[in-house]
Amino acid sequence: GAVVSQHPSRVICKSGTSVKIECRSLDFQATTMFWYRQFPKQSLMLMATSNEGSKATYEQGVEKDKFLINHASLTLSTLTVTSAHPEDSSFYICSAEETGKKTGELFFGEGSRLTVL
Amino acid sequence: DAKTTQPNSMESNEEEPVHLPCNHSTISGTDYIHWYRQLPSQGPEYVIHGLTSNVNNRMASLAIAEDRKSSTLILHRATLRDAAVYYCILRLNQAGTALIFGKGTTLSVSS
Repeated sequence: GAVVSQHPSRVICKSGTSVKIECRSLDFQATTMFWYRQFPKQSLMLMATSNEGSKATYEQGVEKDKFLINHASLTLSTLTVTSAHPEDSSFYICSAEETGKKTGELFFGEGSRLTVL
Repeated sequence: DAKTTQPNSMESNEEEPVHLPCNHSTISGTDYIHWYRQLPSQGPEYVIHGLTSNVNNRMASLAIAEDRKSSTLILHRATLRDAAVYYCILRLNQAGTALIFGKGTTLSVSS
C-alpha cells in the first residue's frame, strides 16, 4: 500500500528555536496533504490543509505565522514550528491524499513527537 | 460537519468477533462512512469505508444500516494487535477533504 513517511520521528528542542518536520509520500503523488496535532489522551486535531504550489489553509485558532507549512512538490510537505514553546510539545501527524485517485482513503505518516524544553 | 457518536471503550477477547458501533443520525447523502484506527504512538491507519452497501476487506467488514444513520465495524477474529482507538468518520468523497476525528472507541483485547 501507499506509504507516507515523516521525519524526524522524535525531536527535542530548546524553547525559542524552530523545528522542521517533513512529510513525504514515498510511492505516490499527493496534491493535498493534511497536518494534525495530537495531545496525550486526546484525538487528532486538524491544523491545516496543504496544497502543492499554493498557500496552506489553516483551521481556526491555528497561527499561520507560528506553524509554517510549505508544499513545494507533489511528494513533500513540511511543517515548521517557529519559536517553539513547551506548550507546542505534541505529536504531529501528516496525511496525504493520492492525486487523482477516488478511493477516498487517506494515508498517514508515523507521526513526529516534538518535545520543547 | 456531520457528527458521529461512538462508545468510549469496548473490550473483547482474542479470537472472538468484535462489533464496534457508530451512530451518525445527521449523515448527508454524500457522506461516506470511514473507519480508521490508531495504535499507540502511531499515525492512524485506514480500515474500511463505504457509502450505502456493506463492505468487506481483508481487515474488517462494514455493515451500514439501511437508513445510513448508523454503522458497525466488524472485526471477525480479534487479535492482540487489534487493540487500538477506532474512529468512525464521515467524509465527502471529494478531493481535498480532510478527516475530522472525534474521540473514537478504545478497544481492549484480552488473551
